[in-house]
Amino acid sequence: AQSVTQLDSQVPVFEEAPVELRCNYSSSVSVYLFWYVQYPNQGLQLLLKYLSGSTLVKGINGFEAEFNKSQTSFHLRKPSVHISDTAEYFCALHAGGTSYGKLTFGQGTILTVHP
Amino acid sequence: DGGITQSPKYLFRKEGQNVTLSCEQNLNHDAMYWYRQDPGQGLRLIYYSQIVNDFQKGDIAEGYSVSREKKESFPLTVTSAQKNPTAFYLCASSRTPGRTGQETQYFGPGTRLLVL
Repeated sequence: AQSVTQLDSQVPVFEEAPVELRCNYSSSVSVYLFWYVQYPNQGLQLLLKYLSGSTLVKGINGFEAEFNKSQTSFHLRKPSVHISDTAEYFCALHAGGTSYGKLTFGQGTILTVHP
Repeated sequence: DGGITQSPKYLFRKEGQNVTLSCEQNLNHDAMYWYRQDPGQGLRLIYYSQIVNDFQKGDIAEGYSVSREKKESFPLTVTSAQKNPTAFYLCASSRTPGRTGQETQYFGPGTRLLVL
């Protein structure tokens, strides 16, 4: 079985400061990893995904994430946040060999950017 | 513009009542999914469909039913057997099903179900 753990349920940060949202995963098989963002009362939007190749993945809105296989982590980073980045962020994985596109989600991290 | 629509935005259910949540996509995607979101628990898969006239149970299918009679539509019925239905329900779709798992899932805006 696989699981995703987001280590912080809430992350407050000031505008223009850097931020890191932490995600660890557990899986006995190879994985694909995703970060989604959810604005209040809306659906989820893909920020970025790691499938293979370079372990540093760049996404939309200036976000990037680094896949670390030895530490089973996929932390999301942004060097300078804006008020508009306030949202909930979800890390998710797809386990290799699964016969359909099932995603396992973490519990979510609420990022609040203060002026 | 292509996308996923869900209706209604808010839905109220009375005790013992079945209610149906609508999900329509015009992305020409083969696969569709229903998730339930509860605060602090992330998203959990209820049902998924890889192709028309076929669907499979996800992790928390008890008390729910679905149909997939058309490629673009995947309605979810919350039955009276679902004892704790209050949640935010999200529909998603992806271009192809299958083993790759590489396909991005696109999400609708969600339906919030409340119990009276």
